[in-house]
Amino acid sequence: QVQLVESGGGVVQPGRSLRLSCAASGFTFSSYVMHWVRQAPGKGLEWVTLIWYDGSNKYYADSVKGRFTISRDNSKKTLYLQMNSLRAEDTAVYYCGRGISGSASAPLEYWGQGTLVTVSS
Amino acid sequence: QTVVTQEASFSVSPGGTVTLTCGLSSGSVSTSYYPSWYQQTPGQAPRTLIYNTNTRSSGVPDRFSGSILGNKAALTITGAQADDESDYYCMLYIRSGTWVFGGGTKLTVL
Repeated sequence: QVQLVESGGGVVQPGRSLRLSCAASGFTFSSYVMHWVRQAPGKGLEWVTLIWYDGSNKYYADSVKGRFTISRDNSKKTLYLQMNSLRAEDTAVYYCGRGISGSASAPLEYWGQGTLVTVSS
Repeated sequence: QTVVTQEASFSVSPGGTVTLTCGLSSGSVSTSYYPSWYQQTPGQAPRTLIYNTNTRSSGVPDRFSGSILGNKAALTITGAQADDESDYYCMLYIRSGTWVFGGGTKLTVL
């Protein structure tokens, strides 16, 4: 069965960096687009970023463009989110998700359980 | 800035039918926006219900259905059950590679 397990969350000071990981299993990781979605405490879902199946194209929400970088290692079946210049408003549970196919127009089908990032001094 | 609109809240009686909608601040939603729907209960990860307008995700009962109604995407729940009480989010494909969620609808079953 499809499994996605996020890790790397924690408490970080404003302006610092953090890298999240998402370990995938149960499917051919290199064939699917992958997303990151976040949810601030008590708020709705916010789409953050997407990476093509082969890592050749990446797209970002305006709120994180220039600060966050998505990447993947298909040999390790792992997705990453490098978050730099963190702000208080980046505090959220971060979910990784698998798309329904390898296309950028592939919405999420499977979700991880999420990892909490708290940006606070 | 594209804004995806959803009803803030809705209520339905057990056994009843409810239709939640997903629109755009300007323009109409079509299948080209690849609308998808997600269900989330407090403290849990979202669950995918519908993608590509009307395709049910694996394991989703057929009382959940998706469609385009007028200028909006729609999620219809037929024969609502108590455990359908959740937050429901739609997501639209806005432009090359980028997606936007709606603000979510809190559904109460009572």
